[in-house]
Amino acid sequence: GGIITQTPKFLIGQEGQKLTLKCQQNFNHDTMYWYRQDSGKGLRLIYYSITENDLQKGDLSEGYDASREKKSSFSLTVTSAQKNEMAVFLCASSIGGSNQAPLFGEGTRLSVL
Amino acid sequence: AQKVTQTQTSISVVEKTTVTMDCVYETRDSSYFLFWYKQTASGEIVFLIRQDSYKKENATVGHYSLNFQKPKSSIGLIITATQIEDSAVYFCAMREGDTGYQNFYFGKGTSLTVIP
Repeated sequence: GGIITQTPKFLIGQEGQKLTLKCQQNFNHDTMYWYRQDSGKGLRLIYYSITENDLQKGDLSEGYDASREKKSSFSLTVTSAQKNEMAVFLCASSIGGSNQAPLFGEGTRLSVL
Repeated sequence: AQKVTQTQTSISVVEKTTVTMDCVYETRDSSYFLFWYKQTASGEIVFLIRQDSYKKENATVGHYSLNFQKPKSSIGLIITATQIEDSAVYFCAMREGDTGYQNFYFGKGTSLTVIP
């Protein structure tokens, strides 16, 4: 079976720092996603990519950059970490096609001091 | 505007009973897909079940089933014979199909506690 691996699992940053989160999948899925989850809240889409080198902004893209240089990997950069920010960033992937459910990685937990 | 709304913040049920979690959605697409996910205490998010908008039959997988009421834009999740390990947060999600747009809209989740 396949797996979605997110690194690092925990990330502690300083205010104003640029931070990069990485995601790898071996399902050979076309589409990959980055979501943000704040405590007690739902998932909000930051970026998604339907193929290598494609990037599409989600509702929460401001303050983030993304990169999809290979089909299997999708990285997310927090361009300037906000003080006291705490959230979980979730990577997901799916086969192309609207009825396919994305599968999720275990998340990266971000804390900004 | 919220595209997917889960009004129940938390629910508690006694083990082995049946629970229904509500979800309403908003879309103008003629074709769309509805999903339910479970997030465990460890944070793992697991896909449970899907309903395609063009199908009249309610989807069923194991002890999960859906109550799809298209005129009401409603997709309820039913868990029968609940078990302690069903305690989790359940998310409803929708993907619109007409435009090929890949966004998934998630609700804010319903926390389920199953009591022995």
